[in-house]
Amino acid sequence: GENVEQHPSTLSVQEGDSAVIKCTYSDSASNYFPWYKQELGKGPQLIIDIRSNVGEKKDQRIAVTLNKTAKHFSLHITETQPEDSAVYFCAASKASGGSYIPTFGRGTSLIVHP
Amino acid sequence: EAGVAQSPRYKIIEKRQSVAFWCNPISGHATLYWYQQILGQGPKLLIQFQNNGVVDDSQLPKDRFSAERLKGVDSTLKIQPAKLEDSAVYLCASSLGGTEQPQHFGDGTRLSIL
Repeated sequence: GENVEQHPSTLSVQEGDSAVIKCTYSDSASNYFPWYKQELGKGPQLIIDIRSNVGEKKDQRIAVTLNKTAKHFSLHITETQPEDSAVYFCAASKASGGSYIPTFGRGTSLIVHP
Repeated sequence: EAGVAQSPRYKIIEKRQSVAFWCNPISGHATLYWYQQILGQGPKLLIQFQNNGVVDDSQLPKDRFSAERLKGVDSTLKIQPAKLEDSAVYLCASSLGGTEQPQHFGDGTRLSIL
């Protein structure tokens, strides 16, 4: 089955700095890569996603890049703010039975210091 | 639109007891997922429904866990009998269905086994 590795497990930055979280996946059939933000006591919330036919996608301060050949994708957050502090999860998904099966990474705890 | 609703938010039981969780997905969402999230880890898929049919339940411990989705809307997940290692947050998510559709998560049920 699919295996998703996520690094680092913890990331501490100063407000205004950039943060980068990296993920690798093993199954070349995976073709949809969402990123989720999870705050304490809440469920994961989708923040950005990328499909396999796209190399990069940006939404304001958040961007995601995908390298299908190397099987890795990354989340970039610029101009970090204290409210960005949360746990971030990457996922790799592949189609199955008309839907898709996601596999999540173990998460990165991002701490933004004011 | 209303989000994914889950209840209860918290549950404490003793080992060998039984417990049930309820999920009401976003209206019109065909696909429903149940995840187990152990502290410090990413969500692990337990079972996925497409309408009221099971798409994937390969990681569901079927000797103690069961799930159903009657009429293709609400779903319940049951554990009987519970073990200490079942302590986790149980997340429900839904999506429109089809491939490359984002999931929308509920806030989960935190289960503690004594």
